[in-house]
Amino acid sequence: GAGVSQSPSNKVTEKGKDVELRCDPISGHTALYWYRQSLGQGLEFLIYFQGNSAPDKSGLPSDRFSAERTGGSVSTLTIQRTQQEDSAVYLCASSLTPLYTFGSGTRLTVV
Amino acid sequence: KQEVTQIPAALSVPEGENLVLNCSFTDSAIYNLQWFRQDPGKGLTSLLLIQSSQREQTSGRLNASLDKSSGRSTLYIAASQPGDSATYLCAVRGGNQAGTALIFGKGTTLSVSS
Repeated sequence: GAGVSQSPSNKVTEKGKDVELRCDPISGHTALYWYRQSLGQGLEFLIYFQGNSAPDKSGLPSDRFSAERTGGSVSTLTIQRTQQEDSAVYLCASSLTPLYTFGSGTRLTVV
Repeated sequence: KQEVTQIPAALSVPEGENLVLNCSFTDSAIYNLQWFRQDPGKGLTSLLLIQSSQREQTSGRLNASLDKSSGRSTLYIAASQPGDSATYLCAVRGGNQAGTALIFGKGTTLSVSS
């Protein structure tokens, strides 16, 4: 597509439930990144995929967080047993060159 | 660990003013530095990218400078307009390769009044 697409745009979930967030990167972009933006905070790096290499998971805050990238394209970020502190905007970006293209994000609210 | 700081956190100016946003980073071993703009409820838009070997980049009314040795970058906005109102984020990519993740500052929220 023309840009990075994320779905859903908004998600409200009950504490303890699992959620899946989806990212469709720009076709042909080999790099894909997940970031989290909490209220009043900067963007926090979560995980990075580059081609067929093992992902850089160094930013994942706990083992409740995991991500996959199937076929080098679509990525899913899964948060298990959600907690209220997981409430944030989750942003995905893809790149082929040094320039990133960001999606509009998924606003996750855990109640 | 790389840390990026942006000052000020918020800035309000009347239309037409020239202004400077500041960014500092703790580890000077960076690959490149980018300035982004974020509008409320939207994703990020890349404004300017400066490679570690460059001193500045210009795009229209925007000029970004980089002083890698001192760990500083500035974003200069000339003749500000209400449409420039947004949050401006500075981000650095560390190391010597393109594959590492960007580390972001918390941003400067700019409000330009007409």
